[in-house]
Amino acid sequence: GNSVTQMEGPVTLSEEAFLTINCTYTATGYPSLFWYVQYPGEGLQLLLKATKADDKGSNKGFEATYRKETTSFHLEKGSVQVSDSAVYFCAGGDSSYKLIFGSGTRLLVRP
Amino acid sequence: EPEVTQTPSHQVTQMGQEVILRCVPISNHLYFYWYRQILGQKVEFLVSFYNNEISEKSEIFDDQFSVERPDGSNFTLKIRSTKLEDSAMYFCASSEVPGGTEAFFGQGTRLTVV
Repeated sequence: GNSVTQMEGPVTLSEEAFLTINCTYTATGYPSLFWYVQYPGEGLQLLLKATKADDKGSNKGFEATYRKETTSFHLEKGSVQVSDSAVYFCAGGDSSYKLIFGSGTRLLVRP
Repeated sequence: EPEVTQTPSHQVTQMGQEVILRCVPISNHLYFYWYRQILGQKVEFLVSFYNNEISEKSEIFDDQFSVERPDGSNFTLKIRSTKLEDSAMYFCASSEVPGGTEAFFGQGTRLTVV
């Protein structure tokens, strides 16, 4: 079945550092891909998405490009802020009715 | 902005008791979901619901679980006889089309079984 693998955390960065969180997927076909963010004590919020190969999703300075050749959807941000500290989940949709989530990566940004 | 609303935010229950978790999906959405997240672990799919019936369910969603849309706005998850291992954050979600496009999640209900 489909699966999503993302890098383990925690990832600890200093403010204004460059962020990459790796995500790869295994699927039949080409599912839509998503990044969700979970701030401390809150629920899941959609951060960005891409629905087909070479699409780039972007929001709040975060970007991810759907790369079919490497089956990847890595999350990047050029300059992180303390307020970006959260858990980030990569997820893939499929032709059924559910999302498959990665295990989540905790990001801690220090001032 | 429309949002998915879940109640209560936190529920504590005795082992063996029944609990009902409530959700109000976004009003024009047709597909509804429950996911759960055991503390520190990944978010897991439980069940999807469309046109008043279950579309898909995971292995986790055994006979102790049931879902219902009792009226035009609410979507509920019932756990008939809770176990300690049911302690988790339960997320409701809804979408306009099947889960391949974005689903909107509620804030979650933290269920603690003691």
